[in-house]
Amino acid sequence: DAKTTQPPSMDCAEGRAANLPCNHSTISGNEYVYWYRQIHSQGPQYIIHGLKNNETNEMASLIITEDRKSSTLILPHATLRDTAVYYCIVRVANDYKLSFGAGTTVTVRA
Amino acid sequence: EAGVVQSPRYKIIEKKQPVAFWCNPISGHNTLYWYRQNLGQGPELLIRYENEEAVDDSQLPKDRFSAERLKGVDSTLKIQPAELGDSAVYLCASSLDPQGGYTFGSGTRLTVV
Repeated sequence: DAKTTQPPSMDCAEGRAANLPCNHSTISGNEYVYWYRQIHSQGPQYIIHGLKNNETNEMASLIITEDRKSSTLILPHATLRDTAVYYCIVRVANDYKLSFGAGTTVTVRA
Repeated sequence: EAGVVQSPRYKIIEKKQPVAFWCNPISGHNTLYWYRQNLGQGPELLIRYENEEAVDDSQLPKDRFSAERLKGVDSTLKIQPAELGDSAVYLCASSLDPQGGYTFGSGTRLTVV
């Protein structure tokens, strides 16, 4: 059963911020939000994760709404190399299993 | 850090033949996973190892799939005999702790003809 809902695709202009939405309306209090991306012909790559506070690292920022029912991954300055499928995943902290959905295919255009 | 290394990168075999995939996880990562990714879909977990013990193999089709992780480091996933529907990318990943992110290898693309 899908725990997250993401748009199937979106385009973004190079150099602009890319905002990737994810709905997870049934998220439990002990479930984290994880984001991975998969560039063509490569394995998925971990981006960021968070519980309820906003998080930022060198790759992206994660904004989680106060009710935790949705989140947004922000790529601050998208480049052509950010073209990939982006997966939003929710899971309990001590649960090893990652359940991938279909993700969002992001195409960054020059 | 070398990352998770998988081989071969590509494999084409005829149906009913055996095939094996190899994975070398990141040094020190006790947890190792095998995932299968069908075309256009997200990866699906096949098996998880903690050191040399398979702690979750509920999604592994045990009639034809087998896996081992001798000495708790490298792992091998085998299919015997392969079927046309086994064509997919087989991904290996490792992690240090459950809360952190996984590191995936580049995968082995299997084509069964």
